[in-house]
Amino acid sequence: GAGVSQSPRYKVAKRGQDVALRCDPISGHVSLFWYQQALGQGPEFLTYFQNEAQLDKSGLPSDRFFAERPEGSVSTLKIQRTQQEDSAVYLCASSWTQETQYFGPGTRLLVL
Amino acid sequence: GQQVMQIPQYQHVQEGEDFTTYCNSSTTLSNIQWYKQRPGGHPVFLIQLVKSGEVKKQKRLTFQFGEAKKNSSLHITATQTTDVGTYFCTGNQFYFGTGTSLTVIP
Repeated sequence: GAGVSQSPRYKVAKRGQDVALRCDPISGHVSLFWYQQALGQGPEFLTYFQNEAQLDKSGLPSDRFFAERPEGSVSTLKIQRTQQEDSAVYLCASSWTQETQYFGPGTRLLVL
Repeated sequence: GQQVMQIPQYQHVQEGEDFTTYCNSSTTLSNIQWYKQRPGGHPVFLIQLVKSGEVKKQKRLTFQFGEAKKNSSLHITATQTTDVGTYFCTGNQFYFGTGTSLTVIP
Protein backbone atom coordinates (compact mmCIF):
# COMPACT_ATOMS: atom_id res chain seq x y z
CA GLY A 1 0.00 0.00 0.00
CA ALA A 2 0.99 3.64 -0.24
CA GLY A 3 3.36 4.93 2.36
CA VAL A 4 3.73 8.36 3.88
CA SER A 5 4.33 11.00 1.25
CA GLN A 6 5.73 14.48 1.67
CA SER A 7 5.90 17.45 -0.63
CA PRO A 8 7.85 19.20 -1.80
CA ARG A 9 10.85 16.89 -1.55
CA TYR A 10 13.22 19.85 -1.84
CA LYS A 11 12.66 23.48 -1.06
CA VAL A 12 15.01 26.41 -1.40
CA ALA A 13 13.82 29.56 0.33
CA LYS A 14 15.25 32.99 0.75
CA ARG A 15 15.70 34.16 4.29
CA GLY A 16 12.47 35.76 5.47
CA GLN A 17 10.26 33.79 3.13
CA ASP A 18 7.36 31.67 4.42
CA VAL A 19 7.24 27.97 3.53
CA ALA A 20 4.61 25.26 3.82
CA LEU A 21 5.49 21.59 3.96
CA ARG A 22 2.86 18.94 3.35
CA CYS A 23 2.51 15.44 4.75
CA ASP A 24 0.09 12.78 3.51
CA PRO A 25 0.02 10.01 6.12
CA ILE A 26 -0.88 6.41 5.57
CA SER A 27 -4.65 6.15 5.25
CA GLY A 28 -6.30 5.40 8.57
CA HIS A 29 -3.32 6.30 10.70
CA VAL A 30 -4.47 8.21 13.74
CA SER A 31 -1.16 9.62 14.91
CA LEU A 32 1.04 12.00 12.97
CA PHE A 33 4.44 13.33 13.96
CA TRP A 34 6.75 16.03 12.63
CA TYR A 35 10.50 15.95 13.18
CA GLN A 36 13.41 18.16 12.21
CA GLN A 37 16.67 16.44 11.35
CA ALA A 38 19.90 18.36 10.99
CA LEU A 39 22.84 16.81 9.17
CA GLY A 40 24.46 14.09 11.24
CA GLN A 41 21.85 14.27 13.97
CA GLY A 42 18.88 12.18 14.92
CA PRO A 43 15.32 13.32 14.30
CA GLU A 44 14.26 16.03 16.75
CA PHE A 45 10.61 15.98 17.74
CA LEU A 46 8.55 18.99 16.74
CA THR A 47 4.88 18.17 17.22
CA TYR A 48 2.34 15.37 17.45
CA PHE A 49 -1.28 15.01 16.35
CA GLN A 50 -3.89 12.49 17.23
CA ASN A 51 -6.51 12.84 14.54
CA GLU A 52 -7.03 16.61 14.21
CA ALA A 53 -5.97 17.40 17.75
CA GLN A 54 -2.46 18.72 18.29
CA LEU A 55 -1.60 17.00 21.55
CA ASP A 56 2.02 18.05 21.87
CA LYS A 57 3.81 20.97 20.27
CA SER A 58 6.59 21.27 22.80
CA GLY A 59 9.27 20.67 20.19
CA LEU A 60 8.41 23.59 17.95
CA PRO A 61 11.51 25.81 18.23
CA SER A 62 9.75 29.15 17.98
CA ASP A 63 6.42 30.79 17.26
CA ARG A 64 7.49 30.97 13.62
CA PHE A 65 6.66 27.27 13.38
CA PHE A 66 3.05 26.23 13.07
CA ALA A 67 1.45 22.88 12.25
CA GLU A 68 -2.09 21.87 11.50
CA ARG A 69 -4.09 18.79 10.60
CA PRO A 70 -7.59 20.18 10.21
CA GLU A 71 -9.39 17.04 9.02
CA GLY A 72 -7.29 14.49 10.80
CA SER A 73 -5.49 13.36 7.68
CA VAL A 74 -3.15 15.62 5.70
CA SER A 75 -0.91 17.85 7.78
CA THR A 76 0.96 21.02 6.96
CA LEU A 77 4.00 22.40 8.74
CA LYS A 78 4.39 26.11 8.14
CA ILE A 79 7.52 28.10 8.87
CA GLN A 80 7.22 31.86 8.78
CA ARG A 81 10.08 34.26 8.11
CA THR A 82 12.55 31.45 7.53
CA GLN A 83 16.06 31.77 8.88
CA GLN A 84 19.24 29.97 7.92
CA GLU A 85 19.14 27.80 11.04
CA ASP A 86 15.83 26.37 9.79
CA SER A 87 17.74 24.53 7.06
CA ALA A 88 17.22 20.83 7.75
CA VAL A 89 15.26 17.80 6.65
CA TYR A 90 11.70 17.84 7.91
CA LEU A 91 10.34 14.36 8.46
CA CYS A 92 6.74 13.37 8.88
CA ALA A 93 5.71 10.04 10.37
CA SER A 94 2.35 8.41 10.95
CA SER A 95 1.22 5.49 13.01
CA TRP A 96 -1.84 3.51 13.93
CA THR A 97 -0.70 3.35 17.53
CA GLN A 98 1.63 5.70 19.36
CA GLU A 99 4.54 3.39 18.86
CA THR A 100 5.57 2.04 15.48
CA GLN A 101 6.08 5.01 13.19
CA TYR A 102 6.24 5.01 9.41
CA PHE A 103 8.30 7.85 8.06
CA GLY A 104 7.96 9.75 4.84
CA PRO A 105 10.96 10.60 2.64
CA GLY A 106 11.27 14.06 4.16
CA THR A 107 11.45 17.58 2.78
CA ARG A 108 14.94 19.04 2.49
CA LEU A 109 14.72 22.73 3.25
CA LEU A 110 17.59 25.05 2.43
CA VAL A 111 17.31 28.65 3.53
CA LEU A 112 19.71 31.02 1.80
CA GLY B 1 10.35 12.49 28.89
CA GLN B 2 12.07 9.13 28.79
CA GLN B 3 15.31 9.30 26.86
CA VAL B 4 17.82 6.62 26.06
CA MET B 5 21.54 6.96 25.59
CA GLN B 6 23.04 5.03 22.74
CA ILE B 7 26.63 3.86 22.35
CA PRO B 8 28.83 3.93 20.45
CA GLN B 9 28.04 7.00 18.38
CA TYR B 10 30.16 5.75 15.48
CA GLN B 11 31.43 2.30 14.53
CA HIS B 12 33.59 1.24 11.62
CA VAL B 13 33.85 -2.47 10.94
CA GLN B 14 35.39 -4.65 8.27
CA GLU B 15 32.83 -6.46 6.18
CA GLY B 16 32.15 -9.81 7.82
CA GLU B 17 32.81 -8.61 11.35
CA ASP B 18 30.10 -8.44 13.97
CA PHE B 19 28.60 -5.20 15.28
CA THR B 20 26.70 -4.29 18.44
CA THR B 21 25.02 -1.09 19.56
CA TYR B 22 23.63 -0.52 23.03
CA CYS B 23 20.82 1.59 24.44
CA ASN B 24 20.59 2.50 28.09
CA SER B 25 17.85 4.22 30.02
CA SER B 26 17.84 5.50 33.58
CA THR B 27 14.17 4.63 33.87
CA THR B 28 12.19 1.50 33.13
CA LEU B 29 10.83 1.47 29.62
CA SER B 30 7.45 0.11 28.65
CA ASN B 31 8.86 -0.88 25.28
CA ILE B 32 11.68 -0.03 22.91
CA GLN B 33 11.75 0.35 19.16
CA TRP B 34 14.67 0.17 16.75
CA TYR B 35 14.92 2.05 13.48
CA LYS B 36 17.49 2.11 10.69
CA GLN B 37 18.25 5.12 8.54
CA ARG B 38 20.34 4.66 5.42
CA PRO B 39 22.49 7.61 4.28
CA GLY B 40 20.18 10.09 2.56
CA GLY B 41 17.12 8.11 3.56
CA HIS B 42 14.50 8.22 6.25
CA PRO B 43 14.16 6.12 9.41
CA VAL B 44 12.64 2.70 8.83
CA PHE B 45 11.08 0.72 11.65
CA LEU B 46 12.89 -2.52 12.40
CA ILE B 47 11.35 -3.99 15.51
CA GLN B 48 9.63 -3.38 18.82
CA LEU B 49 10.49 -5.17 22.06
CA VAL B 50 8.00 -5.24 24.90
CA LYS B 51 8.73 -8.07 27.31
CA SER B 52 11.48 -8.23 29.89
CA GLY B 53 14.37 -10.32 28.58
CA GLU B 54 12.86 -10.54 25.12
CA VAL B 55 15.08 -11.63 22.25
CA LYS B 56 14.04 -11.31 18.65
CA LYS B 57 15.93 -12.18 15.49
CA GLN B 58 15.67 -10.89 11.96
CA LYS B 59 18.09 -12.84 9.80
CA ARG B 60 21.53 -11.59 10.89
CA LEU B 61 20.09 -9.05 13.37
CA THR B 62 19.46 -9.98 17.01
CA PHE B 63 17.59 -7.61 19.30
CA GLN B 64 17.53 -7.95 23.08
CA PHE B 65 15.55 -6.18 25.79
CA GLY B 66 17.12 -6.27 29.24
CA GLU B 67 15.57 -8.04 32.19
CA ALA B 68 15.03 -4.75 33.97
CA LYS B 69 13.68 -3.14 30.78
CA LYS B 70 16.27 -0.39 31.06
CA ASN B 71 18.58 -1.42 28.27
CA SER B 72 18.55 -2.98 24.86
CA SER B 73 21.02 -4.09 22.25
CA LEU B 74 21.16 -4.73 18.54
CA HIS B 75 23.73 -7.22 17.30
CA ILE B 76 24.52 -7.77 13.64
CA THR B 77 26.38 -10.93 12.72
CA ALA B 78 28.77 -10.88 9.77
CA THR B 79 28.11 -7.35 8.61
CA GLN B 80 27.50 -6.59 4.96
CA THR B 81 27.73 -3.31 3.09
CA THR B 82 23.94 -3.22 3.03
CA ASP B 83 24.01 -2.79 6.82
CA VAL B 84 25.50 0.69 6.47
CA GLY B 85 23.40 3.37 8.13
CA THR B 86 22.45 4.86 11.46
CA TYR B 87 20.61 2.72 13.97
CA PHE B 88 18.30 4.44 16.43
CA CYS B 89 16.59 3.13 19.51
CA THR B 90 13.73 4.92 21.17
CA GLY B 91 11.88 4.19 24.37
CA ASN B 92 9.62 7.12 23.81
CA GLN B 93 8.22 7.70 20.39
CA PHE B 94 9.25 11.33 20.44
CA TYR B 95 12.98 11.01 21.22
CA PHE B 96 15.48 9.37 18.88
CA GLY B 97 18.84 10.57 20.09
CA THR B 98 21.88 10.59 17.84
CA GLY B 99 21.93 6.87 17.09
CA THR B 100 24.90 4.72 16.14
CA SER B 101 26.35 5.32 12.72
CA LEU B 102 27.71 2.10 11.19
CA THR B 103 30.27 2.11 8.42
CA VAL B 104 31.16 -1.21 6.80
CA ILE B 105 34.49 -1.34 5.01
CA PRO B 106 34.44 -3.76 2.04
